[in-house]
Amino acid sequence: DGGITQSPKYLFRKEGQNVTLSCEQNLNHDAMYWYRQDPGQGLRLIYYSQIVNDFQKGDIAEGYSVSREKKESFPLTVTSAQKNPTAFYLCASSIQGGYYGYTFGSGTRLTVV
Amino acid sequence: GQQLNQSPQSMFIQEGEDVSMNCTSSSIFNTWLWYKQDPGEGPVLLIALYKAGELTSNGRLTAQFGITRKDSFLNISASIPSDVGIYFCAGQGGSSNTGKLIFGQGTTLQVKP
Repeated sequence: DGGITQSPKYLFRKEGQNVTLSCEQNLNHDAMYWYRQDPGQGLRLIYYSQIVNDFQKGDIAEGYSVSREKKESFPLTVTSAQKNPTAFYLCASSIQGGYYGYTFGSGTRLTVV
Repeated sequence: GQQLNQSPQSMFIQEGEDVSMNCTSSSIFNTWLWYKQDPGEGPVLLIALYKAGELTSNGRLTAQFGITRKDSFLNISASIPSDVGIYFCAGQGGSSNTGKLIFGQGTTLQVKP
């Protein structure tokens, strides 16, 4: 079955450490996205990629970095420069332009301890 | 970034009641989508609308693509406890054609048995 997989589901990080969140899809989608969700808030776009080896900043890219070396994979690194990294992170994928909507992963909850 | 105006922000209803929520935009869209997010999970697509005036049902859910292309409505009939979650609207294409979905802030639904 095709889908999009995020791992791990829960992640704990010490302050000052970088951490990488995994996102893999086997839907043959060209575009992939990372969102951040805080309690009681909507979805805020961090980074997106519409094609391999290319990506653009979203609305809240500061303190985050991404790579898109393979069509199937779009890992997100939360760096120590991110001042408030504790949040729920969602990865999504779509065909170009998102006409049929996005398919979301099940999310990674990151907690800084 | 641009966002849709989604209302109400939250609802607390009795099991069996009907629910209505809506999204409005200053821009026209070619596609309207409605997602549901269960607690701790990623959003899942409920209904997609592709034509102005279109009315589409999915079980107890009914959604409409506004005739002006600037709004959409979601109705849930005879609510049950598993309807609990956050409902997001999203618009795609049209005058705000960025190649990305534009999301509403979400409506949090709680159902009292």
